[in-house]
Amino acid sequence: DADVTQTPRNRITKTGKRIMLECSQTKGHDRMYWYRQDPGLGLRLIYYSFDVKDINKGEISDGYSVSRQAQAKFSLSLESAIPNQTALYFCATSDSSGSGNEQFFGPGTRLTVL
Amino acid sequence: QKEVEQDPGPLSVPEGAIVSLNCTYSNSAFQYFMWYRQYSRKGPELLMYTYSSGNKEDGRFTAQVDKSSKYISLFIRDSQPSDSATYLCAMSSSGGSYIPTFGRGTSLIVHP
Repeated sequence: DADVTQTPRNRITKTGKRIMLECSQTKGHDRMYWYRQDPGLGLRLIYYSFDVKDINKGEISDGYSVSRQAQAKFSLSLESAIPNQTALYFCATSDSSGSGNEQFFGPGTRLTVL
Repeated sequence: QKEVEQDPGPLSVPEGAIVSLNCTYSNSAFQYFMWYRQYSRKGPELLMYTYSSGNKEDGRFTAQVDKSSKYISLFIRDSQPSDSATYLCAMSSSGGSYIPTFGRGTSLIVHP
């Protein structure tokens, strides 16, 4: 079984729709992250959470919101999707009690906004 | 200028070649240096991890860090078609809560 899972894996939606991407992990890690990946731009951090009560904005948080429902679950929402939010989205986890640096990534969600 | 610069490639080499992938950075506070490998339609996975300067070897892979030049490298010996992937460098510091800053990734193609 995958340690970090993301649902859905693919999603096509229309401009203005609300979208939620979900991430679950069985690694027992306390830290979770949401990234988007665009061709030529690499991975950019959207939001991160160091524990259930800790939420922080990343490099590109505008237009996004998150919820950390439990240590194992971290959801990303697009309140009103727009075409330039078309991208590959990755959830990642890390363990602060370890090196704190190694991140484990989910398989990604390919989101298309028409 | 981005904190971490990485040539996106693509880099195309024949099977068996020695591959050199590189990143430069501007933040002298970076202490932890990582290389991730990402296959098409997959999430990145950690390949090599180095603390501070020096070399680290793992099988056909060698990671080098030169903090004085703010330059890191990943060498792949005897490259195989299965090494074809995008390689992302990443670096972090304790001052940044260990959150990594990623390079844009270099696409590597190893042809038989």
